[in-house]
Amino acid sequence: QKEVEQDPGPLSVPEGAIVSLNCTYSNSAFQYFMWYRQYSRKGPELLMYTYSSGNKEDGRFTAQVDKSSKYISLFIRDSQPSDSATYLCAMFNDYKLSFGAGTTVTVRA
Amino acid sequence: SAVISQKPSRDICQRGTSLTIQCQVDSQVTMMFWYRQQPGQSLTLIATANQGSEATYESGFVIDKFPISRPNLTFSTLTVSNMSPEDSSIYLCSVVWSGSNEQFFGPGTRLTVL
Repeated sequence: QKEVEQDPGPLSVPEGAIVSLNCTYSNSAFQYFMWYRQYSRKGPELLMYTYSSGNKEDGRFTAQVDKSSKYISLFIRDSQPSDSATYLCAMFNDYKLSFGAGTTVTVRA
Repeated sequence: SAVISQKPSRDICQRGTSLTIQCQVDSQVTMMFWYRQQPGQSLTLIATANQGSEATYESGFVIDKFPISRPNLTFSTLTVSNMSPEDSSIYLCSVVWSGSNEQFFGPGTRLTVL
């Protein structure tokens, strides 16, 4: 069993829709949770960073963590074609990141 | 914000040769890491680059194949040695600044081995 499970998709939504991305994990030692966005042929870009259960909002992005269920989510409201990218969840412990497989998202204009 | 750069951005190499990838940061960082992202895959940690000492390698990666240097707090190199087509990947460096747990990535080096 992988430490971090993420549905690779692909996920295709119309412009303006809410994008919902999820990851589950098995290692209770993970302390921090991150979401990265990766455009084609680019390095991952840190989007959201959380360390406690609950919600964190940043503009159109909301990160949700449920440590009791070992489940994290990222929601993108009012999605735009520029949001088309691969989204990777990552879990942090002892300065090491464990990544999910990444979900490829396409927002159709 | 700080800038992380990698050289080369891409390269095409012949089987059996070696390539050294450079990672330069424009400010001092606490930690530097090297990752591999194989085609269609997620990121896998190769090693932690330690300043002034040997890198710490993850399971499945060895120093003879991926020698790493980190002579100071802003620079590191990763060498991919005796390359085979299976080494075709994107190689990424990442950094963590003092007092933070956030990890930031460079733009990556796209390597193709023929």
